[in-house]
Amino acid sequence: AQRVTQPEKLLSVFKGAPVELKCNYSYSGSPELFWYVQYSRQRLQLLLRHISRESIKGFTADLNKGETSFHLKKPFAQEEDSAMYYCALSVLGGTSYGKLTFGQGTILTVHP
Amino acid sequence: DAGITQSPRYKITETGRQVTLMCHQTWSHSYMFWYRQDLGHGLRLIYYSAAADITDKGEVPDGYVVSRSKTENFPLTLESATRSQTSVYFCASSDGGQGSHEQYFGPGTRLTVT
Repeated sequence: AQRVTQPEKLLSVFKGAPVELKCNYSYSGSPELFWYVQYSRQRLQLLLRHISRESIKGFTADLNKGETSFHLKKPFAQEEDSAMYYCALSVLGGTSYGKLTFGQGTILTVHP
Repeated sequence: DAGITQSPRYKITETGRQVTLMCHQTWSHSYMFWYRQDLGHGLRLIYYSAAADITDKGEVPDGYVVSRSKTENFPLTLESATRSQTSVYFCASSDGGQGSHEQYFGPGTRLTVT
C-alpha cells in the first residue's frame, strides 16, 4: 500500500526566510503528487500538483523519483503562508484508483 | 467554491445518537469521498464512492454508513455516535478523469459528540 510521510508536524520560520516542507512517499508505481493547503478553519485547497509543474504563490515542488520525495519550497516566506500543508498521493490504476493518500500534515508558522 | 457544500457546518450530539452529515456537489463529479481530520492523524479516508450506487470502505469505516442514490449527494451517517467520532469531517469530489485526480473539498463539518 502507498504511504505519504511528512516528517515535520510543526515548522516555524521568519518572514523572508526560505522554507522547505518535506514530503516522502512510498509507492512502487508512478504516482500523482499534490500539495494541499488549509488556512485557518477553511477548506483544503489545491496548492500545486507535480503534473502541471507550475508555481503557485511562489511555491514550487519537484518530484524526485529516485529519492521518492516531493518537497515544497518557497524562497521567501510571507506571513500569509502560515497554514497547514498536506502532501497527498494518488495512484493511477488498480483498486486505489482515484483515492488520495494524505500525509499527516505540517503546520507552517511564519513569524513577522 | 459553492460547487461542493456540506451541512450542517457545526453539530453537537450525544453519545449513542444517530447523526447524518450531508454533502452536495454541483459538478456531476463521479467520485466522492468522506474524510475525517484529527490532529496527529492528518486526513483519513472513511468511505468513497466511484459513482451512484457504488461505495467502498476507506481506512477508517467502522461506525459509519454511506449511501449514494444520486450522483450529487453523498451523506455520511454515524449510526450510534461515540466520543471518538468527535472530529472535523470533510467531503470531497473528483471527476476521476484522465490526467489528474485532483479532489475538491467542502468547507467541513465540525462534529462534537458529548
